[in-house]
Amino acid sequence: QKEVEQNSGPLSVPEGAIASLNCTYSDRGSQSFFWYRQYSGKSPELIMFIYSNGDKEDGRFTAQLNKASQYVSLLIRDSQPSDSATYLCAVKDSGYSTLTFGKGTMLLVSP
Amino acid sequence: GAVVSQHPSWVICKSGTSVKIECRSLDFQATTMFWYRQFPKQSLMLMATSNEGSKATYEQGVEKDKFLINHASLTLSTLTVTSAHPEDSSFYICSARQGTIGEPLHFGNGTRLTVT
Repeated sequence: QKEVEQNSGPLSVPEGAIASLNCTYSDRGSQSFFWYRQYSGKSPELIMFIYSNGDKEDGRFTAQLNKASQYVSLLIRDSQPSDSATYLCAVKDSGYSTLTFGKGTMLLVSP
Repeated sequence: GAVVSQHPSWVICKSGTSVKIECRSLDFQATTMFWYRQFPKQSLMLMATSNEGSKATYEQGVEKDKFLINHASLTLSTLTVTSAHPEDSSFYICSARQGTIGEPLHFGNGTRLTVT
């Protein structure tokens, strides 16, 4: 069974700090990796996606993928209180059109 | 672009009644839509995959006769919860894919269902 693991948190960081969110996955055949942000009571919102090993940067967000170690991370620079949310890691392998989601990590950014 | 609209955003119904939830892709054609359910403090659980013009594919443990899915057009999929019970109370979220299998999913705003 394909699994996506995330620390449930909460991860607490002060405003302006770097928040580091991690995710591991069990299926070595996984090809696509996504980070979604979900505010309480709302549906997920796509933050970033990454397909290749290495780093991918978009504004304050950097996704990092290491397929050999089967982990993907999301770095949020200059964290803001508005970044406080649950961050969901999602993984898709080459054989499926659906995503497997982790349970999410709650991030709390204090002013 | 890639806007997915879901309606209603919340609904309260009595036990034994049926509820229909609509999911529309507003600015793109979605050959495939997905229905998820999320219980409090839990992750999204895929219920079914909906393909336009064909029967939905349900995940293991999801009752297809209870959760009726219709994908009548490239922009509309509906989920009907039949004979709802309090344990069906949950957050139901649809999503749609804009392009190829590798494209990320775009989610609707979700429907909070409460069955009394």
